[in-house]
Amino acid sequence: AQTVTQSQPEMSVQEAETVTLSCTYDTSESDYYLFWYKQPPSRQMILVIRQEAYKQQNATENRFSVNFQKAAKSFSLKISDSQLGDAAMYFCAYRRPGYGNKLVFGAGTILRVKS
Amino acid sequence: GAVVSQHPSRVICKSGTSVKIECRSLDFQATTMFWYRQFPKKSLMLMATSNEGSKATYEQGVEKDKFLINHASLTLSTLTVTSAHPEDSSFYICSARAASLNSPLHFGNGTRLTVT
Repeated sequence: AQTVTQSQPEMSVQEAETVTLSCTYDTSESDYYLFWYKQPPSRQMILVIRQEAYKQQNATENRFSVNFQKAAKSFSLKISDSQLGDAAMYFCAYRRPGYGNKLVFGAGTILRVKS
Repeated sequence: GAVVSQHPSRVICKSGTSVKIECRSLDFQATTMFWYRQFPKKSLMLMATSNEGSKATYEQGVEKDKFLINHASLTLSTLTVTSAHPEDSSFYICSARAASLNSPLHFGNGTRLTVT
């Protein structure tokens, strides 16, 4: 079974600085998808970034980028120029290809942004 | 863009009663919907996978007679918490995916259930 591990229960970052959230996963598959979701206090799940395992290039979305290390099964999220609105719970998630396959979530990391 | 509507957003019910939560895909057909449960400051725990026109697939440890799931159309799945007890109080979130392969997953806004 696939598992996703987020080893940082909480992280803090100063506004305008950079923070990296870690995620590792375990799978025997070679083709899969990885995601980072943000859940602010409103509890709405927001997709931050997505990475296909067959792509070597790291995904980037504005201030958000990932460091995808397939061999190490590591998928960290870097948030640059942190803003107060980035404060939220962040979940790393894994999914195999195919429309029927479910997301497996990590335990989450609470990110606090200090002004 | 695609939107998933979940209703109600909050519900309070008395112990022993049943509560129905609806999950609708507003602008796409969702052959698969997922129901999650989330405790405060915890991760999302998958309860079941709902497939249109067939029985739901429940995760290990989830009582199918307690949490009834119906996916009668391509735009609606319902979760009914039967004979609710205070320990069923939680945040329930649905998500839906369109039929096309590798289409993204869209989440509802969640339902806060409180059983008194």
